[in-house]
Amino acid sequence: DAKTTQPPSMDCAEGRAANLPCNHSTISGNEYVYWYRQIHSQGPQYIIHGLKNNETNEMASLIITEDRKSSTLILPHATLRDTAVYYCIDYIYGGSQGNLIFGKGTKLSVKP
Amino acid sequence: GAVVSQHPSWVICKSGTSVKIECRSLDFQATTMFWYRQFPKQSLMLMATSNEGSKATYEQGVEKDKFLINHASLTLSTLTVTSAHPEDSSFYICSAMPGLDYGYTFGSGTRLTVV
Repeated sequence: DAKTTQPPSMDCAEGRAANLPCNHSTISGNEYVYWYRQIHSQGPQYIIHGLKNNETNEMASLIITEDRKSSTLILPHATLRDTAVYYCIDYIYGGSQGNLIFGKGTKLSVKP
Repeated sequence: GAVVSQHPSWVICKSGTSVKIECRSLDFQATTMFWYRQFPKQSLMLMATSNEGSKATYEQGVEKDKFLINHASLTLSTLTVTSAHPEDSSFYICSAMPGLDYGYTFGSGTRLTVV
């Protein structure tokens, strides 16, 4: 079973920042937080990952709390094309290639 | 960037026939690939782990004789749904990890409809 919990759905106005929360209270010290998204009828797309420091790339920013029990994915200027299901996943990085366990994710709807 | 190519994108087959789905890593070698299944409005569920040159590892509840996996090279894994039935209709997705500095890369998925 997935070890993360996310709200089932969120709305965001186009052009505004979308902040997607994730709780991972049982995360272990060597587990990273990964974020993926899945646009309807497509394979999941990698967004970003982090261990304990905040991370930023061309797609998004990831803010991880100091105790690492929760994180927030930030899409700074959401567009209609960002409408998707967003998955937050704990994963042990660098070990044997274990699989990703997907929870139910957050369905983000970006509205004009 | 690393690309996983999956074919076909969609397939319709008659009940009782077999369907093969291909998953290729285009610009990297993948000793391990993963096969997921996704039913409508549900999340991805891991079916099996495909290992190059050895037998696949199946998740509990997944019939290995029904879902045949072959990983004969470092760039190709195939999933064959044998004697397909309407309940096998689903979205099948493969994935692989290009390297430790990358996240898992997923194929575009295959929509299987058994009629």
